[in-house]
Amino acid sequence: EAGVAQSPRYKIIEKRQSVAFWCNPISGHATLYWYQQILGQGPKLLIQFQNNGVVDDSQLPKDRFSAERLKGVDSTLKIQPAKLEDSAVYLCASSLDFARVEQYFGPGTRLTVT
Amino acid sequence: QKEVEQDPGPLSVPEGAIVSLNCTYSNSAFQYFMWYRQYSRKGPELLMYTYSSGNKEDGRFTAQVDKSSKYISLFIRDSQPSDSATYLCAMSVAGANSKLTFGKGITLSVRP
Repeated sequence: EAGVAQSPRYKIIEKRQSVAFWCNPISGHATLYWYQQILGQGPKLLIQFQNNGVVDDSQLPKDRFSAERLKGVDSTLKIQPAKLEDSAVYLCASSLDFARVEQYFGPGTRLTVT
Repeated sequence: QKEVEQDPGPLSVPEGAIVSLNCTYSNSAFQYFMWYRQYSRKGPELLMYTYSSGNKEDGRFTAQVDKSSKYISLFIRDSQPSDSATYLCAMSVAGANSKLTFGKGITLSVRP
């Protein structure tokens, strides 16, 4: 079974530029999560989708971050404009459905904002 | 006070040692307790989880939950160099939304 795929793996941008990350969850997984992991910290949930609907986006900085999950499969997370404090690893995870405890993580995208 | 606190580390032990990793929490509504392992430049990988209080064993790994003290532990027996990684505790409330709250993680190094 293929795992969660993410791209790109690394991205370096200047502040005020925009960037987008892509995630392909495990086939058949209805729930998709985006986390932000700052160096030395645990992952923090940004947004949770159930199929193509948003379940929780309470910690998403909506003035600069946006995410979508068209057709309930792949998802894109965008930052526009980026700030220095957005430098982090952005992790995508999926689970069979929102009631499941087990979440499966992708390798992450490491973003550096200069 | 953060919802989940984890011993800061880092931790370095010789091969074969018994390792104890701990987390405390403040939210008494947490019912699911998880341990994730994260290798460098990789995403977290679920090691094991327990529901409510008690112990759970899986090979060399044992997870313990003490809800009365709001304290959870992961024990690693006969530690191996391949166990060198960052270990994250995570917790969630029971119910429809499985939102995880993570600790900061502790980096373990097992010396051959």
